Amino acid sequence: AQKITQTQPGMFVQEKEAVTLDCTYDTSDQSYGLFWYKQPSSGEMIFLIYQGSYDEQNATEGRYSLNFQKARKSANLVISASQLGDSAMYFCAMRGGNSYDKVIFGPGTSLSVIP
Amino acid sequence: DSGVTQTPKHLITATGQRVTLRCSPRSGDLSVYWYQQSLDQGLQFLIQYYNGEERAKGNILERFSAQQFPDLHSELNLSSLELGDSALYFCASSRLGAQSEKLFFGSGTQLSVL
Repeated sequence: AQKITQTQPGMFVQEKEAVTLDCTYDTSDQSYGLFWYKQPSSGEMIFLIYQGSYDEQNATEGRYSLNFQKARKSANLVISASQLGDSAMYFCAMRGGNSYDKVIFGPGTSLSVIP
Repeated sequence: DSGVTQTPKHLITATGQRVTLRCSPRSGDLSVYWYQQSLDQGLQFLIQYYNGEERAKGNILERFSAQQFPDLHSELNLSSLELGDSALYFCASSRLGAQSEKLFFGSGTQLSVL
């Protein structure tokens, strides 16, 4: 069975600093996709970044980058130059390699940015 | 605005009752997903539909059922409600449900069972 683990329930980071949110996953699929979503206190789910298991380069989207280590089955999210608006819950998610597989989410990490 | 519409935004009901949550996916999206988010369980996958047919099932209780209609909107029916069913229910959609497609989420329905 597929599983996502996020070992950091809560984290603090100073404004303008970089922060890494950990995500490890378990799957027997060779092909899969990894996602990160942000959920601010207002409740909406916001897509941040995607990494395919066969992508040779780590994904980047503006201040977000994904540190993908396939052999270690980890897909850590790096946020550079943290802003107060980055304070939110962050979820790592995975979709397996079978066509139209479900998307499962990790338990999330609560990030607080300190001025 | 994600383009996914969920109604109602809030629902307050009593134990033992039945409710229906509605979701309209983004225009052109064929795949609809339902999730339950509670404080102690995180974001739990319930069920996925693709073009009217059930595609994948998660830990959905037998008291819960869903369907996707020919116009692609979806409904999640929750019956014999219990206090523990209180949660935020999200609907999400994607074009085909392919591996690289991100999910677009609605704003959720907050269900309170009293």
